[in-house]
Amino acid sequence: QVQVQESGPGLVKPSETLSLTCTVSGGSVSSNYWSWIRQPPGKRMQWIGYIDNRGSTNINPSLKSRVTISVDTSKNQLSLNLNSVTAADTAVYHCARHGARDGYNYFFDHWGQGTLVTVSS
Amino acid sequence: DLVMTQSPDSLAVSLGERATINCKSSQSVLYGPNNRNYLGWFQQKPGQPPKLLIYWASTREYGVPDRFSGSGSGTDFTLTISSLQAEDVAVYYCQQYYSNPWTFGQGTKVEIK
Repeated sequence: QVQVQESGPGLVKPSETLSLTCTVSGGSVSSNYWSWIRQPPGKRMQWIGYIDNRGSTNINPSLKSRVTISVDTSKNQLSLNLNSVTAADTAVYHCARHGARDGYNYFFDHWGQGTLVTVSS
Repeated sequence: DLVMTQSPDSLAVSLGERATINCKSSQSVLYGPNNRNYLGWFQQKPGQPPKLLIYWASTREYGVPDRFSGSGSGTDFTLTISSLQAEDVAVYYCQQYYSNPWTFGQGTKVEIK
């Protein structure tokens, strides 16, 4: 059974870089696509972007200039870096596996519990 | 961006009764070449991450009880819980994966009356 766990600092200062890690167990990070998704308090969920099983990324255009998603296959982890953060980036951040269905990789079928990141000085 | 609008924002249903949640997209999510609607539904219980219930608008995910069903096409979709159980108390979200960026509805909270 695939398990996914996000980790990282819970507090980041404005203008700094938010860095999170997602550790995967029970499966290989290189076998699937993976997304980062966030839930700002009181707002709707926002898809941040994904990395596919070849290492290519597809990022939400509204965040593209600030986001980097990468994979470390040796540690079976994926990472999110979001730079120049503001209070608007305060959210619970989830990583989610894309499960393949009918040959398509769109479906978030395993999610991490999420980690709350607050942007504040 | 494609905007997903759910209605109602919340509803209270008696145990064993039907719950119906609507989702409307600002543009069609029906992809002509494969005739599939690029829409999914998620359930999120308090303190838990979202759980995939439905994809392709009407295909139930593995292990999801058959009281959950999805319908609709183009811009208008519905998630139906045919006989509400206590464990179905949650927030439900629709999500489109038709165009980048993938977007979610604002959520519908389902409670017991």
